[in-house]
Amino acid sequence: DAGVIQSPRHEVTEMGQEVTLRCKPISGHNSLFWYRQTMMRGLELLIYFNNNVPIDDSGMPEDRFSAKMPNASFSTLKIQPSEPRDSAVYFCASSLPGRGIHEQYFGPGTRLTVT
Amino acid sequence: DAKTTQPPSMDCAEGRAANLPCNHSTISGNEYVYWYRQIHSQGPQYIIHGLKNNETNEMASLIITEDRKSSTLILPHATLRDTAVYYCIVRVANSGNTPLVFGKGTRLSVIA
Repeated sequence: DAGVIQSPRHEVTEMGQEVTLRCKPISGHNSLFWYRQTMMRGLELLIYFNNNVPIDDSGMPEDRFSAKMPNASFSTLKIQPSEPRDSAVYFCASSLPGRGIHEQYFGPGTRLTVT
Repeated sequence: DAKTTQPPSMDCAEGRAANLPCNHSTISGNEYVYWYRQIHSQGPQYIIHGLKNNETNEMASLIITEDRKSSTLILPHATLRDTAVYYCIVRVANSGNTPLVFGKGTRLSVIA
């Protein structure tokens, strides 16, 4: 299994530009999570989906952030317009809830730098 | 907010056992203790979890006190590749479809 796939791995953009991060969960997993990691705030949840439906987006910083999951194999996190304070590593994770299944599997992350 | 308390950092000599403590004094009866680790520049990785009994797998052992208010993750023979930040998380049982709440974790440095 290829694991959770994220693209791009690195993104450098200028303030005001639109940024789209992509995630492909592990095949068959039906929960998907977007986390953000910064030195100041550590790892924090942005949004998560169960069966392609957004369940909790209270961690999304503001209206500049949006996330979609059009099907079970793909999710995007979009920032428009981007700001320097959005610079962070963004992780996507997936899981398959069920009896005895407890793990979340994380992707390698996308390192975003906004100048 | 994280419901656990961990020391910010620890050192361990290569080949020795690394014992990482975690306090979770407000844990509820239906909450498990989970451990994840994050090696530099990688995503977090699941290690082990337990409810009240001690658990062991190919990566580590988890010792939970009888009152369940604290636990210890044990890496029996630490290697340089075990250098990472280790996160202790409490979580309702069978909640794989809910988010993880990460604290600051313990930064373990394994020294040659």
